[in-house]
Amino acid sequence: SQQGEEDPQALSIQEGENATMNCSYKTSINNLQWYRQNSGRGLVHLILIRSNEREKHSGRLRVTLDTSKKSSSLLITASRAADTASYFCATISSMDSNYQLIWGAGTKLIIKP
Amino acid sequence: EAGVAQSPRYKIIEKRQSVAFWCNPISGHATLYWYQQILGQGPKLLIQFQNNGVVDDSQLPKDRFSAERLKGVDSTLKIQPAKLEDSAVYLCASSLDRWGTHTEAFFGQGTRLTVV
Repeated sequence: SQQGEEDPQALSIQEGENATMNCSYKTSINNLQWYRQNSGRGLVHLILIRSNEREKHSGRLRVTLDTSKKSSSLLITASRAADTASYFCATISSMDSNYQLIWGAGTKLIIKP
Repeated sequence: EAGVAQSPRYKIIEKRQSVAFWCNPISGHATLYWYQQILGQGPKLLIQFQNNGVVDDSQLPKDRFSAERLKGVDSTLKIQPAKLEDSAVYLCASSLDRWGTHTEAFFGQGTRLTVV
């Protein structure tokens, strides 16, 4: 079953603009992770945010987490052509003793030169 | 540090044939996952191992899929017999933490399976 749901499903912006993607989930979580998948490449971990954290930064990436709304956002600043990829959020539910990573369907981001 | 190794990268088989995928996780990673990813969708967990024990295989179609992780290191996933709807990318991932709670998962390049 899918826990996370990304929004929008697809996003197309000009190079240099900021891109924001959102993720909503259903159950309380242990942590939430964002991954990137380029065409022809595997999934690459971007950032992990724990349930007791509200914001995290990594380079041009900023992730926020609102556990009261069960949602997270990923902001990519000053986008580049190389950021073109699909972005997935994945959660580990705090109610799952197996600590499975549950994935959303992803946001497809296209950066236009 | 070497990443997660998977082979083969691509496989084309006819329906009703069998196929096997291999995965070697990052050294020392206790948790190993097999995912199925259909084009345009997020990964779907097939099976999760903790060392050489199965933690969760609730979404594994056990009438045709099987997986093992002998000695708690590398793993194989088998499909027998394959159906057209098994066409997908099969991803292997591993994570360091015993219960995968605070660490990210590292993914292999995947095996793209086409069943014709």
